[in-house]
Amino acid sequence: DVVLTQTPPTLSATIGQSVSISCRSSQSLLHSNGNTYLNWLLQRPGQPPQLLIYLVSRLESGVPNRFSGSGSGTDFTLKISGVEAEDLGVYYCVQSTHAPTFGSGTKLEIK
Amino acid sequence: EVQLVESGGGLVQPGRSMKLSCAASGFTFSSFPMAWVRQAPTKGLEWVATISTSGGSTYYRDSVKGRFTISRDNAKSTLYLQMNSLRSEDTATYYCTRERGFDYWGQGVMVTVSS
Repeated sequence: DVVLTQTPPTLSATIGQSVSISCRSSQSLLHSNGNTYLNWLLQRPGQPPQLLIYLVSRLESGVPNRFSGSGSGTDFTLKISGVEAEDLGVYYCVQSTHAPTFGSGTKLEIK
Repeated sequence: EVQLVESGGGLVQPGRSMKLSCAASGFTFSSFPMAWVRQAPTKGLEWVATISTSGGSTYYRDSVKGRFTISRDNAKSTLYLQMNSLRSEDTATYYCTRERGFDYWGQGVMVTVSS
């Protein structure tokens, strides 16, 4: 199975601060069709996950553009440029290039 | 508006069976591969199973192979998960989701396996 290692496990940020979350894969996520199926999800407390970023860097419709994704191969990053209060929750990376696996999550707390 | 509504959860004894359903609306259900993802209490997300658009191909995580069966009825726009020989470690909230991007999720249904 592909293992996704997310760091840090927790983040504490003030409103307006920029933060980054890393997701490293045990195998390349580049599919033979040329796509890299690495997405980012946010799960707010008591809610199901919601999609933020798909195919590494594409912003899901309706998601604020303070969220951005980057990376390739085995190394990926989610950046929030100017944290807002509504961003608190747990962030997960997920890959579906191989049998789907999720990262262990990064909990974002607001100071 | 895309909606996914799970049902069928509850309390079940170890070794028994349970069937979950997920009613889909707001999109062409037959055009999307679908998946079940679960989340044990206070834990992270774990993929359980995926089914192709026609239902002809299914995929499972190792720990549920031979015990769980994912299926779909495209005429009814409904996804199913038949869970047999349930174990305490299957206790979780089960979500159905569109596997193409994990872009839409249901609210989830709780399954508790306990005597």
